[in-house]
Amino acid sequence: DIVMTQTPLSLSVTPGQPASIACKSSQSLLHTDGKTYLYWYLQKPGQPPQLLIYQVSNRFSGVPDRFSGSGSGTDFILKISRVEAEDVGVYHCMQGIQLPRTFGPGTKVDV
Amino acid sequence: QVQLQESGPGLVTPSQTLSLTCTVSGGSISSGNYYWSWIRQPAGKGLEWIGRMHASGSTDYNPSLQSRVTISLDTSKNQFSLRLSSVTAADTAVYYCARTSLSDSGRWRLFDYWGQGTLATVSS
Repeated sequence: DIVMTQTPLSLSVTPGQPASIACKSSQSLLHTDGKTYLYWYLQKPGQPPQLLIYQVSNRFSGVPDRFSGSGSGTDFILKISRVEAEDVGVYHCMQGIQLPRTFGPGTKVDV
Repeated sequence: QVQLQESGPGLVTPSQTLSLTCTVSGGSISSGNYYWSWIRQPAGKGLEWIGRMHASGSTDYNPSLQSRVTISLDTSKNQFSLRLSSVTAADTAVYYCARTSLSDSGRWRLFDYWGQGTLATVSS
């Protein structure tokens, strides 16, 4: 199985300030189709995860443009340009190149 | 708007079978552009992918659970189901159903919609 790691595991941020979370995979997530299968989810308190970013850098419908994703191969970053109070929760990265799908341990963000 | 809703017994006896159903509204589970998955999360822990099914009938399971898991579709009810046999306390978790879709640009959006989750507790 592909192992996903995230740093940091906990992050306290000030509203209006930027924040970033790193995700690393044990194998390259670059597929032979040329696409890279790295996903980001936010799980707000008491809620299911919600898709933020798919295939490294594509924002899902309705996701604010303060969220952005970047990276390649095995190293990826999620950035929040200006954190808002509603951004609190646990951020999960996940690989989608291989079965079984595997998630990172999650990064807890509080404001 | 697509909505998913899990249902099933909240309490399961050890060694018995956990059965959950996910009812999908706002879209057909018969479309070839979707996969339908189950994911679980023990309290205070991370997410674990259990398996998926496609409308074609193909299934894929997490090898760690494969011997105990069955996922099936009921297109007449627009539902899909999870059966997990021989459960133990380690199977106590919130179980989520989720959809994977193919965008118009040909990009797979894994788990773009989720149910609210249902807590399944294994206890005698």
